[in-house]
Amino acid sequence: NAGVTQTPKFRVLKTGQSMTLLCAQDMNHEYMYWYRQDPGMGLRLIHYSVGEGTTAKGEVPDGYNVSRLKKQNFLLGLESAAPSQTSVYFCAVKQGASSTDTQYFGPGTRLTVL
Amino acid sequence: RKEVEQDPGPFNVPEGATVAFNCTYSNSASQSFFWYRQDCRKEPKLLMSVYSSGNEDGRFTAQLNRASQYISLLIRDSKLSDSATYLCVVNRASGGSYIPTFGRGTSLIVHP
Repeated sequence: NAGVTQTPKFRVLKTGQSMTLLCAQDMNHEYMYWYRQDPGMGLRLIHYSVGEGTTAKGEVPDGYNVSRLKKQNFLLGLESAAPSQTSVYFCAVKQGASSTDTQYFGPGTRLTVL
Repeated sequence: RKEVEQDPGPFNVPEGATVAFNCTYSNSASQSFFWYRQDCRKEPKLLMSVYSSGNEDGRFTAQLNRASQYISLLIRDSKLSDSATYLCVVNRASGGSYIPTFGRGTSLIVHP
């Protein structure tokens, strides 16, 4: 039982390159989230999904796209990477719609854009 | 004003000390509240939920003050292993779901 996994763990990109980050869960949770964490900024919500086939924008969605084709996977895409997207990216999952449900986080992906 | 605000610290305390952190939130419609702990270069993990009546888990006590719109975390008898960043999380209702907003975190350093 792996919980929440993220692939890759580290990546270095050049400006303008594209990549996809994968979040996978074996917890059968409905809600999935993508955050970025920058020094001194805390975690900021990029996009989220309340179920298979759904996505919604968070606080900082520009420059990112997401897809939730399967319940267990949530993909975060960068079409044309910029140095401002250098960050640590965390995926999180939550069981359902209850406000008291806990979020469980993946180990993070460290992305550097040169 | 930011939606969720925390003093970044660091709070530097000796072992055995009692330390308290506050977190203020601006949206009065916020529904639920949590404290997460994040170790250096690791993912956040739930420390405890915060209930309206206040709640305790061992050395940790969380309280909510809806009138003044803040939550607090009290750590008694601090251990070296308590050194971490403590993140305040506030959920607000939005379009049928709840959007979590994180504070920037408060850094705690417990020294011998």
